[in-house]
Amino acid sequence: SAVISQKPSRDICQRGTSLTIQCQVDSQVTMMFWYRQQPGQSLTLIATANQGSEATYESGFVIDKFPISRPNLTFSTLTVSNMSPEDSSIYLCSVEYGGANYGYTFGSGTRLTVV
Amino acid sequence: KQEVTQIPAALSVPEGENLVLNCSFTDSAIYNLQWFRQDPGKGLTSLLLIQSSQREQTSGRLNASLDKSSGRSTLYIAASQPGDSATYLCAVGSSYKLIFGSGTRLLVRP
Repeated sequence: SAVISQKPSRDICQRGTSLTIQCQVDSQVTMMFWYRQQPGQSLTLIATANQGSEATYESGFVIDKFPISRPNLTFSTLTVSNMSPEDSSIYLCSVEYGGANYGYTFGSGTRLTVV
Repeated sequence: KQEVTQIPAALSVPEGENLVLNCSFTDSAIYNLQWFRQDPGKGLTSLLLIQSSQREQTSGRLNASLDKSSGRSTLYIAASQPGDSATYLCAVGSSYKLIFGSGTRLLVRP
């Protein structure tokens, strides 16, 4: 399976500012996924990012708040815009790996605290 | 709409005990099912992946089973150790995305 490098690992940000999270994959992948995990909760999919096209957002998530870039097949960024304390969460990127053993692997996560 | 449920929400056991974590899902049209481990404040580590055509997978002290027709999966941990303490997440792959359960928080007491 692919190996994902995600950064930053954590950050503390002021409300009203924005943070960009990066994910670098060690191989080319078609689809990348961004998840949010609010405190004490499970993971919720934010959006799916394919190279060369607009990201597809899940219900409850909008591009203005969570713009995503996917400039090539190994890299993606998620920006959390105009942050409020409610955005304090762990954000994770994920890729699918194919072949006979199709599945998903995750980055190490970004722990965001908004004050 | 696919929904994934994990029972119990939390579990505390003495070291050495064998234990079973349960996962159920509402739509049997799945591609696969993955079990993950998450340590506090960290990312996810994949433990076992079961394709829809498979019935079980084993890795060391872990064994995961899948019964698509009943919408259930179990994760069996043999001879539990304090290092197994973590949150265990079940995720169902369908429609090219993962749907997660809410997790089971496991504590193995020395």
